[in-house]
Amino acid sequence: DAGVTQSPTHLIKTRGQHVTLRCSPISGHKSVSWYQQVLGQGPQFIFQYYEKEERGRGNFPDRFSARQFPNYSSELNVNALLLGDSALYLCASSLEGARSTDTQYFGPGTRLTVL
Amino acid sequence: DAKTTQPNSMESNEEEPVHLPCNHSTISGTDYIHWYRQLPSQGPEYVIHGLTSNVNNRMASLAIAEDRKSSTLILHRATLRDAAVYYCILRDAGGGADGLTFGKGTHLIIQP
Repeated sequence: DAGVTQSPTHLIKTRGQHVTLRCSPISGHKSVSWYQQVLGQGPQFIFQYYEKEERGRGNFPDRFSARQFPNYSSELNVNALLLGDSALYLCASSLEGARSTDTQYFGPGTRLTVL
Repeated sequence: DAKTTQPNSMESNEEEPVHLPCNHSTISGTDYIHWYRQLPSQGPEYVIHGLTSNVNNRMASLAIAEDRKSSTLILHRATLRDAAVYYCILRDAGGGADGLTFGKGTHLIIQP
């Protein structure tokens, strides 16, 4: 069975540009979460989506947005990129995500570099 | 989610047991204890979770103190592949939508 897939694997952008990152969850999983991992730190929660609705949001500015599609895949959009947005962006899927015991399965991430 | 405290790094030898500690003195009665690990250049992966009783699975064991203020992840026979950053995370039973709160974790080094 395929795991969580993310595209692209690497991306280089310049300040002020916008970026769209994509995630396909494990088949049968209805919840997708996004995390940002800066070098040397643990991942930080950005969003959780379930059945196309935002169900949870971390402490990130409005420049960050996301959506989930009917096939449960998801996009993370970041506008007006800053140098500090350079990070590994991780997507995780889970069956429903509502219960804290639901295991989250992470993809390999997209490495974003902002110059 | 309540805060956890882990050592920054630990070192062990291959084929020996490893005990990774985690302190969570402010844990609430509905907090589950989760462990995830992140191998180099990969996303985090689930290891184990528990509430009150000790838990075992094919990857590891989780020993939870009687007062639940600390726990220990046990790798029974470490291999080089177990070299990773290990994260101890608390999640409230109803907090599924809040995402996982990762700290800096413990960087486990395995010597051959």
